[in-house]
Amino acid sequence: QKEVEQNSGPLSVPEGAIASLNCTYSDRVSQSFFWYRQYSGKSPELIMSIYSNGDKEDGRFTAQLNKASQYVSLLIRDSQPSDSATYLCAVSRGGGFKTIFGAGTRLFVKA
Amino acid sequence: EPEVTQTPSHQVTQMGQEVILRCVPISNHLYFYWYRQILGQKVEFLVSFYNNEISEKSEIFDDQFSVERPDGSNFTLKIRSTKLEDSAMYFCASPTGRSNTEAFFGQGTRLTVV
Repeated sequence: QKEVEQNSGPLSVPEGAIASLNCTYSDRVSQSFFWYRQYSGKSPELIMSIYSNGDKEDGRFTAQLNKASQYVSLLIRDSQPSDSATYLCAVSRGGGFKTIFGAGTRLFVKA
Repeated sequence: EPEVTQTPSHQVTQMGQEVILRCVPISNHLYFYWYRQILGQKVEFLVSFYNNEISEKSEIFDDQFSVERPDGSNFTLKIRSTKLEDSAMYFCASPTGRSNTEAFFGQGTRLTVV
């Protein structure tokens, strides 16, 4: 079983729409959950972190966490062409433990 | 905004040669990580460093790899005898935030082994 699973995509949405990205993880001891954005040839950039069950909103981004279902999601509202990138879900046990990354979902936002 | 700086940005080396990748983490961060990403694949954990010691390493981080902090601020990742399959982007990361897991990545070093 993969530690962090994501649909590889590509996910294609029109400009202005909501993009929904999903992730499941296998380690029940995980305490920290992240979404990174990675443009082609660039390093991952942290866009959201979430630690408690429920929703966390930051601008156009909303992260959702359900530890019972071992599920994390990211919603991007009012999607822009500049949001086109690969989105990496990542989890950690916290406290300096390693962060495990999923393979990423490629998002295309069509103008 | 604080930055994590990596050098060189691109390194080409012959198989069997030693390479040293360098990173300057964000100052005063306690933890430090190296990751790699083979082209088209996921980001993989290599090793974490805390208080001048390795705190965790993956099965990828075998005897060919070593990590050092030669001058108290910079970090190096050394690959002793490179193989073709070592070709990848190597990222260092300075974690911060809650539980020291919100990682800020450097821009990466692209290692090409020929």
